[in-house]
Amino acid sequence: EAQVTQNPRYLITVTGKKLTVTCSQNMNHEYMSWYRQDPGLGLRQIYYSMNVEVTDKGDVPEGYKVSRKEKRNFPLILESPSPNQTSLYFCASSSGGLGYTFGSGTRLTVV
Amino acid sequence: KQEVTQIPAALSVPEGENLVLNCSFTDSAIYNLQWFRQDPGKGLTSLLLIQSSQREQTSGRLNASLDKSSGRSTLYIAASQPGDSATYLCASNSGYALNFGKGTSLLVTP
Repeated sequence: EAQVTQNPRYLITVTGKKLTVTCSQNMNHEYMSWYRQDPGLGLRQIYYSMNVEVTDKGDVPEGYKVSRKEKRNFPLILESPSPNQTSLYFCASSSGGLGYTFGSGTRLTVV
Repeated sequence: KQEVTQIPAALSVPEGENLVLNCSFTDSAIYNLQWFRQDPGKGLTSLLLIQSSQREQTSGRLNASLDKSSGRSTLYIAASQPGDSATYLCASNSGYALNFGKGTSLLVTP
């Protein structure tokens, strides 16, 4: 089944403790991206990657890092999480004009 | 920057009604427009994708139209059912990102 898989689905962590949210797609898509969703603000792009080793900032990149060492994987790294990064995170992939496929989401709480 | 607006923000209808959800965008230079459904606390499910060269797409009881020149898209839901209750999001694709509206929260009552 074609899908984008994110892990973990739920995560509670403490301020400053580094964490990684993994994202993997099995559709051989070149394009991958991360979004966060917050009440009243909607979905906003954090980072995107056009291909392996090619990444760029989206609208809200502060406090996040990404890497794209393999085509299928695009992890999101929070090196020093803060409470304002509490949010629902989505990974997505796309192949040109075929539309986007989203993962099931990761609900992150930073206390 | 592309701004995407969805009207209404919330909608409640009785089962069986036909309804229209509206989406407008400020920059007509889009590759495509995609409609998603999101259930509370869940992921995004793609409903319809309209390429910039197309006028409409249909899937079952859903029909989406696109008018690039006026910056508008509509999602038509025929014979609504309680299972259609969800938030509906439209998103324009300008190349490097999807720009989302804030969604229309739909409640279909039995």
